[in-house]
Amino acid sequence: DAKTTQPPSMDCAEGRAANLPCNHSTISGNEYVYWYRQIHSQGPQYIIHGLKNNETNEMASLIITEDRKSSTLILPHATLRDTAVYYCIVRAYQGGSEKLVFGKGTKLTVNP
Amino acid sequence: EPEVTQTPSHQVTQMGQEVILRCVPISNHLYFYWYRQILGQKVEFLVSFYNNEISEKSEIFDDQFSVERPDGSNFTLKIRSTKLEDSAMYFCASGGHSYEQYFGPGTRLTVT
Repeated sequence: DAKTTQPPSMDCAEGRAANLPCNHSTISGNEYVYWYRQIHSQGPQYIIHGLKNNETNEMASLIITEDRKSSTLILPHATLRDTAVYYCIVRAYQGGSEKLVFGKGTKLTVNP
Repeated sequence: EPEVTQTPSHQVTQMGQEVILRCVPISNHLYFYWYRQILGQKVEFLVSFYNNEISEKSEIFDDQFSVERPDGSNFTLKIRSTKLEDSAMYFCASGGHSYEQYFGPGTRLTVT
C-alpha cells in the first residue's frame, strides 16, 4: 500500500499557485519523496523529488517539513495544462531499481 | 529530449492469445520497469529488470508474464495466454543512475 495520504481533489484558478499537500508520517530516513503527475491516461510524468531539503526545478517546487512527515508540491503559476492527477510517492533508493508505489493521488483541476 | 517509446499504442486480442508489448527505453538507462493501470484504478507495478534479469516482480506478474531485453535496445512484455482481466494500459518505464523513472505513453490492451 502507498505510504502517503493526499486529498482526493483540489481546484486552482489559472495563473495562481497550486499547493498540493502530502502526508508521509511514517517515512524512513533513507526514503525520498517523489512527485509524479498523470494527465488523462498518459504515462506518469516525473516532476520533482527530494530527501530533506527544499527543491526547485523548472516545473515545480517541493517543500519538505523539517520532521519530513509532510511535504507540499507548488506549481507557481498553474495553467490549464496542469490539470492532472498528482501522485506523492515515498521511495527508498536502492541503486535505482526500487519500484514506485502509486496511490490514488490528488486530482487537480485548473479552472480558467 | 530523449523519451521512452512504446508500440503498439493499442492492441486488441482475443482471450487465450499471446501478446507482446514493446518498449524502447531511454538509451543510456539501466533499469527497466513495466506497470499497468486498469481503467479507473491505480497504476500498479508489475516487474523491474536490471542487468538482464528480473530484480523484483509483483503478485500480478505470474507465470503468464515474461520480460525480455532481446537486443540491448528493446524491452518487451509478453503475456502468454491473455485473460479478460488483463485489459489495461501497460506502461514501460526506464531509469538511469539518477533517481527518477521516465514513463512511456502506454499501450492500451483490450482482451475480448
